[in-house]
Amino acid sequence: EVLLVESGGGLVQPGGSLRLSCAASGFSVSNNYMSWVRQAPGKGLEWVSVIYSGGSAYYADSVKGRFTISRDDPKNMLYLQMDSLRVEDTAVYYCARDPSHIYAMSWGQGTLVTVSS
Amino acid sequence: DVQMTQSPSSVSASVGDRVTITCRASQGISNWLAWYQQKPGKAPKVLIYGASNLQSGVPSRFSGSGSGTDFTLTISSLQPEDLATYYCQQAHIFPLTFGGGTKVDIK
Repeated sequence: EVLLVESGGGLVQPGGSLRLSCAASGFSVSNNYMSWVRQAPGKGLEWVSVIYSGGSAYYADSVKGRFTISRDDPKNMLYLQMDSLRVEDTAVYYCARDPSHIYAMSWGQGTLVTVSS
Repeated sequence: DVQMTQSPSSVSASVGDRVTITCRASQGISNWLAWYQQKPGKAPKVLIYGASNLQSGVPSRFSGSGSGTDFTLTISSLQPEDLATYYCQQAHIFPLTFGGGTKVDIK
């Protein structure tokens, strides 16, 4: 069974940093397209980043230069390092996977990040 | 960036009704489009990918069509459990983008 479990969310001040983790089971992150998608409170979905099986990564303009996606293949983990956080980064962050394309076939339950002073 | 415009933003329909949601891309995206369903308080779930491919386990009352810039999600016979917000997403050009969502209520 495919399972994705996010962790690492919490309250952080503007300008601070946070690292989100996504523990995967039932498949290998190394041969999937792994993504992060976020949802601000009461708002719609916003794509954040994707990492290809070969390691190439792409980002939304709103996070480029501040966020870094990575994975640890032996641990079967996906990460999102978030630096220079802004109030507008407040959202539930979901990790997702797709074995063949860059859609989001399976999702985790999400982790809430709150950026506030 | 490719803008994805969904309409309507909300719809209220009765059980058994046919519901159609449209999604228009600001430029051609071939068939690189997915539809997601998000029930209140839950993570999204993929319904359709590649514009018209039904994800395994999704009821056959859901269908998708379109190519290029205009796409449609159809629920052929609305059920109470279809209460949700529906999003389209293009996966053709980075950055990937979602539509604003369509909230489906049951009358």
